[in-house]
Amino acid sequence: AQSVAQPEDQVNVAEGNPLTVKCTYSVSGNPYLFWYVQYPNRGLQFLLKYITGDNLVKGSYGFEAEFNKSQTSFHLKKPSALVSDSALYFCAVGGANNLFFGTGTRLTVIP
Amino acid sequence: DGGITQSPKYLFRKEGQNVTLSCEQNLNHDAMYWYRQDPGQGLRLIYYSQIVNDFQKGDIAEGYSVSREKKESFPLTVTSAQKNPTAFYLCASTNPRAEPQHFGDGTRLSIL
Repeated sequence: AQSVAQPEDQVNVAEGNPLTVKCTYSVSGNPYLFWYVQYPNRGLQFLLKYITGDNLVKGSYGFEAEFNKSQTSFHLKKPSALVSDSALYFCAVGGANNLFFGTGTRLTVIP
Repeated sequence: DGGITQSPKYLFRKEGQNVTLSCEQNLNHDAMYWYRQDPGQGLRLIYYSQIVNDFQKGDIAEGYSVSREKKESFPLTVTSAQKNPTAFYLCASTNPRAEPQHFGDGTRLSIL
């Protein structure tokens, strides 16, 4: 069965510093992995995905994620955080018919 | 612009009442989904449909019903059997499995 875990409910980072939001996954077979961002009272917005190929995936708004098969991780990263990056971030893994979502990590970027 | 439209944005339900949440997409996607979002629990799948006139139960289908009479539309009814309906409801759509789901902006349902 597919599942994802986001071990941190909350991440705080200073503006301009690098940020990392952690995600680990459990799948049978090759994983389809996604990151989404949610702003208050809005739907989820797609940031990036890993299907196959390079382990470093680049996405929207300067975000990237590193797929690590041996550690079954897919951490989201950004070299320099902006206050506007403050939001709720979800990692998801693709199943046969739908996505399985983590519980979300709230990122706060401190000015 | 193509996208997913959910309405209404806010909805209030009285005891014993059924309410219907609308979801319309113009992305020509085959598959559509309904999720429930509660604080600290992420998104949980209620129902999904991969083709017109067919739909499947998700993890928390009890107290909910859906229909898929048109490709563009996937309405969700929250019935009186759903005893804890207060939540944020999100609709999504996609095509092939490896493609990302596109989400609407949600409907927040509360109890009067």
